[in-house]
Amino acid sequence: NAGVTQTPKFQVLKTGQSMTLQCAQDMNHNSMYWYRQDPGMGLRLIYYSASEGTTDKGEVPNGYNVSRLNKREFSLRLESAAPSQTSVYFCASSEVDSWFYSSYEQYFGPGTRLTVT
Amino acid sequence: GENVEQHPSTLSVQEGDSAVIKCTYSDSASNYFPWYKQELGKRPQLIIDIRSNVGEKKDQRIAVTLNKTAKHFSLHITETQPEDSAVYFCAAYFQKLVFGTGTRLLVSP
Repeated sequence: NAGVTQTPKFQVLKTGQSMTLQCAQDMNHNSMYWYRQDPGMGLRLIYYSASEGTTDKGEVPNGYNVSRLNKREFSLRLESAAPSQTSVYFCASSEVDSWFYSSYEQYFGPGTRLTVT
Repeated sequence: GENVEQHPSTLSVQEGDSAVIKCTYSDSASNYFPWYKQELGKRPQLIIDIRSNVGEKKDQRIAVTLNKTAKHFSLHITETQPEDSAVYFCAAYFQKLVFGTGTRLLVSP
């Protein structure tokens, strides 16, 4: 099992360019997440998908869009990159206990280090 | 929405000492509280978690306690070793996971 995979590992963009970050998981999890990590800010949720066919905004969704392509894949798109989007981006997946409205362990991908100049 | 505060932001201990990291959360509906360890340049990895129906959980040198009334939970690491040096994140879950801002733990030999 590869777990959660992300591409690319590194990316440099110019202001105004667009790009899509790809994420895939092979653990048959229903829920998938995109976080960004900035120094001193912890991990902040951008968007999440509780199940295939649904997506919801997290804490910092502005400037991003997502697509849950199928159960395995969840992509994050930056339509017009800005320097404030320079960050490390992590994708994660988990199973959710729908009976108790609780979660199980979230598994993280290796991250994408994005620099916007 | 949920807010999670984590203290201290940095913690330096000598090898063999104990380390305690504390978190408070705001949403009383939160029911799942994981702790993640992140080494430099790596992804966060779960080290221990606790659910709201449990007050304490232990796994070898690591323990977590939860006080639902006060809405705080703590990570305890005993007999610290240099390989425990990392950033530790607490989190609270209700519909989605909200993370604290992290504690950088440095264990000196």
